[in-house]
Amino acid sequence: GQQLNQSPQSMFIQEGEDVSMNCTSSSIFNTWLWYKQDPGEGPVLLIALYKAGELTSNGRLTAQFGITRKDSFLNISASIPSDVGIYFCAGRNFGNEKLTFGTGTRLTIIP
Amino acid sequence: EAGVAQSPRYKIIEKRQSVAFWCNPISGHATLYWYQQILGQGPKLLIQFQNNGVVDDSQLPKDRFSAERLKGVDSTLKIQPAKLEDSAVYLCASSPTGQGYNEQFFGPGTRLTVL
Repeated sequence: GQQLNQSPQSMFIQEGEDVSMNCTSSSIFNTWLWYKQDPGEGPVLLIALYKAGELTSNGRLTAQFGITRKDSFLNISASIPSDVGIYFCAGRNFGNEKLTFGTGTRLTIIP
Repeated sequence: EAGVAQSPRYKIIEKRQSVAFWCNPISGHATLYWYQQILGQGPKLLIQFQNNGVVDDSQLPKDRFSAERLKGVDSTLKIQPAKLEDSAVYLCASSPTGQGYNEQFFGPGTRLTVL
């Protein structure tokens, strides 16, 4: 099955730095979602985007729904230790609850 | 509100053996999903139920995998016989039903190791 491409695959940053990651697809989606997964846990929804061009914030997180509907971006400002984990994008189309997940971006904070 | 419950949390079996996983969704959630997450990849949908009916099982390897949700609440996923490539985390998720987007809530998963 299709998986969305995320980049970078992994990131090593220092606490306080800003983070950017993106997700691209060969097909369009009507909804883009960003999840975070901690070790031994299931993914937890961070942000949902419903319109092309939409920019949505949730605290220090900001995500954008690409104009082409084939990509999305997630930014984290002023990273803190609890931001460590794997971030997944997911796409969905109207009338269908099925989520197609990305390959993930692993975020590590260097002390 | 209790989250999605899954058991067992870990399972180690030998290839060709059988295994079953159990999921209890959030109370009142009509839709239930089983995902397979191979190490280093995102979750991949195996099967989606609405109440006790199957909505999508297009990516379920039906020669060895089966799932049921007999009373529209709990669900079990079975693998028989298991192969080495079935080693993965099996995630269960549930969502309410209604107009618009319905968020999927994930359980902690069952980590399966096939030796």
